[in-house]
Amino acid sequence: EVQLVESGGGLVKPGGSLRLSCAASGLPFSGYSMNWVRQAPGKGLEWVSSISGSSSYIYYADSVKGRFTISRDNAKNSLYLQMNSLRAEDTAVYYCVKPLRGYGLLDVWGKGTTVTVSS
Amino acid sequence: QSALTQPRSVSGSPGQSVTISCTGTSTDVGGHNFVSWYQQHPGKAPKLMIYDVSQRPSGVPDRFSGSKSGNTASLTISGLQAEDEADYYCCSYAGSVVFGGGTKLTVL
Repeated sequence: EVQLVESGGGLVKPGGSLRLSCAASGLPFSGYSMNWVRQAPGKGLEWVSSISGSSSYIYYADSVKGRFTISRDNAKNSLYLQMNSLRAEDTAVYYCVKPLRGYGLLDVWGKGTTVTVSS
Repeated sequence: QSALTQPRSVSGSPGQSVTISCTGTSTDVGGHNFVSWYQQHPGKAPKLMIYDVSQRPSGVPDRFSGSKSGNTASLTISGLQAEDEADYYCCSYAGSVVFGGGTKLTVL
């Protein structure tokens, strides 16, 4: 069974930084691209970023481009999201998501980790 | 890319059928068959219910079906059950990933 477990969320002040991690198990991790998707409180889903299996291809939503960096360590079966220059509007639950195929066909979701940006 | 347009809420009685629409443009929903639907119960992660417009992943009841006409995709739930009450999101995943705003389904 594929499992994705996010960690690293918390309370951070505006302008601060946070690094999210996602530990994957039950799958050939390097064979899949991976995604981060977020959901602000009471709001809908928003795709944040995708990374190919080899890290050769990386994509970001315009809302986070230049502030967030996605990366992965296939030897550790882990996905990361470095978030800098955080804003109040980045407050959300962040989900690590494996695709069924390709990038955006989002198949297996972690339980999410909560990021709160507030002074 | 703009979010896809969904009704904010729909409702139905147990046993009835409901349809949730998802309207995009010719560059997303209307331009390909890469449309998916997700179910999300409160406090839980989303669950993939439909992909490639009308395909059901293993384990999803056949009460859930998807279709598309032009720039509008639809999710139909037949034989409504109490546990179907949830938020539903459509998604276009060709090139960039774009979600609809979500529809709250209430089972009366």
